[in-house]
Amino acid sequence: AQKITQTQPGMFVQEKEAVTLDCTYDTSDPSYGLFWYKQPSSGEMIFLIYQGSYDQQNATEGRYSLNFQKARKSANLVISASQLGDSAMYFCAMREAAGGTSYGKLTFGQGTILTVHP
Amino acid sequence: DAGVTQSPTHLIKTRGQHVTLRCSPISGHKSVSWYQQVLGQGPQFIFQYYEKEERGRGNFPDRFSARQFPNYSSELNVNALLLGDSALYLCASSPPGYEQYFGPGTRLTVT
Repeated sequence: AQKITQTQPGMFVQEKEAVTLDCTYDTSDPSYGLFWYKQPSSGEMIFLIYQGSYDQQNATEGRYSLNFQKARKSANLVISASQLGDSAMYFCAMREAAGGTSYGKLTFGQGTILTVHP
Repeated sequence: DAGVTQSPTHLIKTRGQHVTLRCSPISGHKSVSWYQQVLGQGPQFIFQYYEKEERGRGNFPDRFSARQFPNYSSELNVNALLLGDSALYLCASSPPGYEQYFGPGTRLTVT
């Protein structure tokens, strides 16, 4: 069974500094995808970044980058130049390969609350 | 382009009642998934539908059911509501194999 672990319940960062949010995962499937979502207090899940298990390079999307270490089964999110609007809950999620019995199902971690201080 | 829409936004029900939540996917997306997010936890997968067929079911009791219509919109039904069903219910749509785009959610309170 797939499992996602986020060990940091809360993180604090100063505005304009970088912050790393940790995520480890467990799966026996050789093909999988890793996602990070941002959830503001409004509740909507906002897609940030995606990393495929066979991707050779770490994914980047603007100020977001994913530090993918396959052997260690970790997929940490790095946010550079933090902004006040980055304060939110962040979820790491994993999707098993399409075509399985749960086609495209996402398994989420418990989340990390990020607070950006001015 | 319009994103995923869900209705209603908020809902208050009494234990034992039935509830129907609705979701309209992004135009062109044929897959819809439902998730339950209890306060303080990550979302839990309930159902996925693709081309009107159930493609996946999470570990939820039979009180939970869903369906997808020819226009790819979807309904989630919950019978015999319990206090523990109070949660944010999220709908997500996606083209096959790509990231899932979430709607704003329906916040259900069971009293």
